Amino acid sequence: AQSVTQPDIHITVSEGASLELRCNYSYGATPYLFWYVQSPGQGLQLLLKYFSGDTLVQGIKGFEAEFKRSQSSFNLRKPSVHWSDAAEYFCAVVTSGTYKYIFGTGTRLKVLA
Amino acid sequence: GAVVSQHPSRVICKSGTSVKIECRSLDFQATTMFWYRQFPKQSLMLMATSNEGSKATYEQGVEKDKFLINHASLTLSTLTVTSAHPEDSSFYICSARGSLAALETQYFGPGTRLLVL
Repeated sequence: AQSVTQPDIHITVSEGASLELRCNYSYGATPYLFWYVQSPGQGLQLLLKYFSGDTLVQGIKGFEAEFKRSQSSFNLRKPSVHWSDAAEYFCAVVTSGTYKYIFGTGTRLKVLA
Repeated sequence: GAVVSQHPSRVICKSGTSVKIECRSLDFQATTMFWYRQFPKQSLMLMATSNEGSKATYEQGVEKDKFLINHASLTLSTLTVTSAHPEDSSFYICSARGSLAALETQYFGPGTRLLVL
């Protein structure tokens, strides 16, 4: 069965520091991968997605993610975190042939001033 | 980007009563809407998929008689939790997709927090 794992439940970084949020998936073929951010009182917002092609994907708000097939990973990165980035981040996979999202359990990011 | 709203944002009800949650796509026509449930510190779990004008498709383990879904128009889907019990307390999130393309981006509502006393 397909699954998505986000190993880190909480991450705390200082403002201006770099960030990497981990995401691993389990799927037999190449999945379609997404990162969403959820802020209190707001819906999940799409940060970026990977379908095919260049394995380094650029998203909104300065985020990027890299698809590594050998590691079944799709880690999210940002070179310099802003206080407004504090939120919950979800990795998701949509398997080819379906439209159903499988979400990871999320990583809550705290940013220290 | 596209906007999806949910109403109410939070609701408290007594055990045994029914609660209706609305999901609206504000600036696009949603051919498909999805309902998710999110428990504290857990992931979003897909409950059901609804296509405008047809019956919803429920995920395994989701009681269709308890969670009634109606998608009567291209901009509105409703989830009714019937005879709610405390274990139904959760965060319910809808999302909407504007076309039948499988990889069309889904837009998520802000969620509805339900507390059943």
